[in-house]
Amino acid sequence: SAVISQKPSRDICQRGTSLTIQCQVDSQVTMMFWYRQQPGQSLTLIATANQGSEATYESGFVIDKFPISRPNLTFSTLTVSNMSPEDSSIYLCSVAGESVDTQYFGPGTRLTVL
Amino acid sequence: GENVEQHPSTLSVQEGDSAVIKCTYSDSASNYFPWYKQELGKRPQLIIDIRSNVGEKKDQRIAVTLNKTAKHFSLHITETQPEDSAVYFCAASNSGGYQKVTFGTGTKLQVIP
Repeated sequence: SAVISQKPSRDICQRGTSLTIQCQVDSQVTMMFWYRQQPGQSLTLIATANQGSEATYESGFVIDKFPISRPNLTFSTLTVSNMSPEDSSIYLCSVAGESVDTQYFGPGTRLTVL
Repeated sequence: GENVEQHPSTLSVQEGDSAVIKCTYSDSASNYFPWYKQELGKRPQLIIDIRSNVGEKKDQRIAVTLNKTAKHFSLHITETQPEDSAVYFCAASNSGGYQKVTFGTGTKLQVIP
């Protein structure tokens, strides 16, 4: 499976600021996804990052709050904008494997908003 | 959309015993069912998956069963070991779509030595 890295691994941010999370894959992948995992909770899909087009957002998530870039087939960013303490979560990127419906996860970014 | 329910939320077993985690799904179009294991502070790791054309799949101490009629699928871990302690998530997706995966709520498994 692909090797997936994320930066930063963790951060502590002030309310009202923004943080951009990077996801890098060691091979070209068609589908990349961004998830949020709140403390002690399951994984919730934020959006699907499409190369060459706008991301597809799930219900409850909007582009103004979570802008996503996908400049090529190995890289994506997720920005958490105008943060509040409720945004404190782990943010994970994932990619679809060779069997297109199988997803593999990056190590996650642990975000704390004060 | 798809809804995946998972039970139990917590499970404690003695080392060597078996553990069973059950999930139900709502969308009859779902045809791919992965299971992920997440250790504390780590990323979710795929441990086994099953497709709708198969009723059961085994990989060493882990097995998954699928009942399409009842929309149930289960994870079975035999001869549990302390390193099996983790949170387990079931999931469902329709691979004919754009691969959106819906996750269950998770089961925290504790294996007591």
